Amino acid sequence: EPEVTQTPSHQVTQMGQEVILRCVPISNHLYFYWYRQILGQKVEFLVSFYNNEISEKSEIFDDQFSVERPDGSNFTLKIRSTKLEDSAMYFCASQEGVSTGELFFGEGSRLTVL
Amino acid sequence: LAKTTQPISMDSYEGQEVNITCSHNNIATNDYITWYQQFPSQGPRFIIQGYKTKVTNEVASLFIPADRKSSTLSLPRVSLSDTAVYYCLVGDMRNSGYALNFGKGTSLLVTP
Repeated sequence: EPEVTQTPSHQVTQMGQEVILRCVPISNHLYFYWYRQILGQKVEFLVSFYNNEISEKSEIFDDQFSVERPDGSNFTLKIRSTKLEDSAMYFCASQEGVSTGELFFGEGSRLTVL
Repeated sequence: LAKTTQPISMDSYEGQEVNITCSHNNIATNDYITWYQQFPSQGPRFIIQGYKTKVTNEVASLFIPADRKSSTLSLPRVSLSDTAVYYCLVGDMRNSGYALNFGKGTSLLVTP
């Protein structure tokens, strides 16, 4: 069964460092998303991406965050200067087409900022 | 976006049917109702989606009354492995995608 894969599974970084989280969505999917989940809290929408550009972003997705799909397969989330409050599980998700209604999530990347 | 309300937690014994109800009084005409399951430290997993009446797949049923202001996820004969958090999402996913937050969900505990 096709799946969304994410790397790394866990990253520990120092405050102020740049972090890149990587995702390989399912190959024929067109819509891509990043979410985050702070420990014990809700799954929060960060950004959606379609046709090589951001389609929507939340208030959380400020100038410290960026996304790109550099090579047509990987979908990355970059945090430029990490803060303690960025510590969370980050989930990538993909959707075949908007009309299909089902979102496929990866296993997540746990980010710990010290 | 329609606000949803679900019970915070539910308990069940193995083999029983579990029904989790979600209220969404301000659901819009184009909104779908979608349920996801999440295990600890894993990404959410799609369970079922519906618009009206009843939808059934191999793992669950979704009951939606005519006014669509609520919905009920039904899990037949739960097992220990169904212990998870269940999220009800309401939105126009089929046109606007998933630019939305998940709510707090319902934490289901299944015991022997």
